Amino acid sequence: EAGVAQSPRYKIIEKRQSVAFWCNPISGHATLYWYQQILGQGPKLLIQFQNNGVVDDSQLPKDRFSAERLKGVDSTLKIQPAKLEDSAVYLCASSPWTSGGPTDTQYFGPGTRLTVL
Amino acid sequence: AQSVSQHNHHVILSEAASLELGCNYSYGGTVNLFWYVQYPGQHLQLLLKYFSGDPLVKGIKGFEAEFIKSKFSFNLRKPSVQWSDTAEYFCAVIPTSGTYKYIFGTGTRLKVLA
Repeated sequence: EAGVAQSPRYKIIEKRQSVAFWCNPISGHATLYWYQQILGQGPKLLIQFQNNGVVDDSQLPKDRFSAERLKGVDSTLKIQPAKLEDSAVYLCASSPWTSGGPTDTQYFGPGTRLTVL
Repeated sequence: AQSVSQHNHHVILSEAASLELGCNYSYGGTVNLFWYVQYPGQHLQLLLKYFSGDPLVKGIKGFEAEFIKSKFSFNLRKPSVQWSDTAEYFCAVIPTSGTYKYIFGTGTRLKVLA
């Protein structure tokens, strides 16, 4: 079974530039998550999709961050314009939807390490 | 609001020492509980999980965790650590109804000395 794919793995940009990250979840997983992990901290949920609908984006800085999951499969996360404090690892994860909801194991991709100069 | 606390941020042990990492959560309802591990250079992966039943759950590589409902705790243990257990460990919680929001703790960085 193929895992969660993310690209690029590394990205270096200057502040005020834009950047986009791509994620392809495990086939059949209805729920997709984007996390921001700053060095020394745990993953912080940015946005959660159920198929192609947004379930939770309460912690997404919507003035600069956007995300979409067209057709309920792969997803992109965009930052425009980037700030220095956006330097972090951006993780994508997916989980299956069970009868109890998306409460099972999350499967993580390798992440994208973003450095904003 | 729900939260997860991991009290030990950095732990250094010698090989063969016993390990216990604390995890406490705040949420009034039923939750599923997880420990994830991130080995150096690798992505986050599941170590073990608890949904219901026996509160003592066993995971991969000899790890186990005990859910104590009255204490809102889900501590991770291993009787004898190995150098290869050097990693960062994250506790996570998700309610089984309502918001379905996964909450991670801040992580514990474990270093095992050979």
